[in-house]
Amino acid sequence: ETGVTQTPRHLVMGMTNKKSLKCEQHLGHNAMYWYKQSAKKPLELMFVYNFKEQTENNSVPSRFSPECPNSSHLFLHLHTLQPEDSALYLCASSLGQGNGYTFGSGTRLTVV
Amino acid sequence: DQQVKQNSPSLSVQEGRISILNCDYTNSMFDYFLWYKKYPAEGPTFLISISSIKDKNEDGRFTVFLNKSAKHLSLHIVPSQPGDSAVYFCAASAPRSNYQLIWGAGTKLIIKP
Repeated sequence: ETGVTQTPRHLVMGMTNKKSLKCEQHLGHNAMYWYKQSAKKPLELMFVYNFKEQTENNSVPSRFSPECPNSSHLFLHLHTLQPEDSALYLCASSLGQGNGYTFGSGTRLTVV
Repeated sequence: DQQVKQNSPSLSVQEGRISILNCDYTNSMFDYFLWYKKYPAEGPTFLISISSIKDKNEDGRFTVFLNKSAKHLSLHIVPSQPGDSAVYFCAASAPRSNYQLIWGAGTKLIIKP
């Protein structure tokens, strides 16, 4: 247990479904991130939140919608996804910039 | 254009020997570099970092070397152990980069018994 908890661990969804990924940290970190990891590709930053405010949206399609109700919780709402969106979605948090990202175990998403 | 490159997708090393993982970068503004380790079905975990004001940082069996003129860093693991088998990611950040780390694609390290 790293201190960053992601649920669910695995998710299979159809292209017309709506689902949400959840991330929770109680490390006192101020920044939270969503990353996408596809096979043999670098980690792709999707969204950054600092003190609940979105500070980065890396040209992510609108079918991915983040929500950060407080500094400890981060959601990623999914709807009308495509099969190419199948990947490992990782949540991370940090105190300050760069140093000491703590990652969750990820949600393995499969879109069918 | 990939700013952080790990050109070896995989590396196989005998147990007890030295493992050397390499990382190249193109952005001269990067001032902080990190290595993360990832096991299957888990998120990456922080391993070791180095600031651009240093050229070496050591933590137990792990040493990171930074060559700023060549824009190259390497992670040395010695001696290599079976539990070191994992994917290793290199990451970099620049000042005022809004908390963003730029990641390499990873190198899968396999330690052979």
